[in-house]
Amino acid sequence: DSGVTQTPKHLITATGQRVTLRCSPRSGDLSVYWYQQSLDQGLQFLIQYYNGEERAKGNILERFSAQQFPDLHSELNLSSLELGDSALYFCASSAQGARVSGYTFGSGTRLTVV
Amino acid sequence: ELKVEQNPLFLSMQEGKNYTIYCNYSTTSDRLYWYRQDPGKSLESLFVLLSNGAVKQEGRLMASLDTKARLSTLHITAAVHDLSATYFCAVFMDSNYQLIWGAGTKLIIKP
Repeated sequence: DSGVTQTPKHLITATGQRVTLRCSPRSGDLSVYWYQQSLDQGLQFLIQYYNGEERAKGNILERFSAQQFPDLHSELNLSSLELGDSALYFCASSAQGARVSGYTFGSGTRLTVV
Repeated sequence: ELKVEQNPLFLSMQEGKNYTIYCNYSTTSDRLYWYRQDPGKSLESLFVLLSNGAVKQEGRLMASLDTKARLSTLHITAAVHDLSATYFCAVFMDSNYQLIWGAGTKLIIKP
């Protein structure tokens, strides 16, 4: 157990629907990062939050949004889902000293859009 | 813009052989990270290299960092099937406190 908790682990939904993925960072970590990984692909950075504030945005679609709450958990909202949104979605967290320790990843949410 | 390139992207090798995965990056950084990912699983931290000349070893894997050449290597010695996985390198970007990722090297080790 990495200490980063993602729920749900699996999600199957229809095109056009909206889903919410949840992430609880490791205790004490203030930063949360969201990544998308399509089948046999690399990691696509979506968005980063630090202590409740958005810090950086990557290739995140307008249909996607995220937030980090005061208790530091984060949610990634995906709407108007398309078949191409099917992927593994990872959350990672880091402490203030990310330079030293890097990121810790959750186990991911596998989203299947049918 | 910091870019991280790994090569090869795909490697199929026999058990017992040695091989090296390379990770090049385009701008100055003294922090490099290696991660392992098994199919359909999460990413697991392997090595954190924090300075020029850093070398870390764990079992049959050894990672090194040359910040002057902007190059890190992940060397596999006498490969075994259990090392089959995708290996990612990532470089820390000071400007926005992010890791910038390579595309990953998919390693298949055949018995």
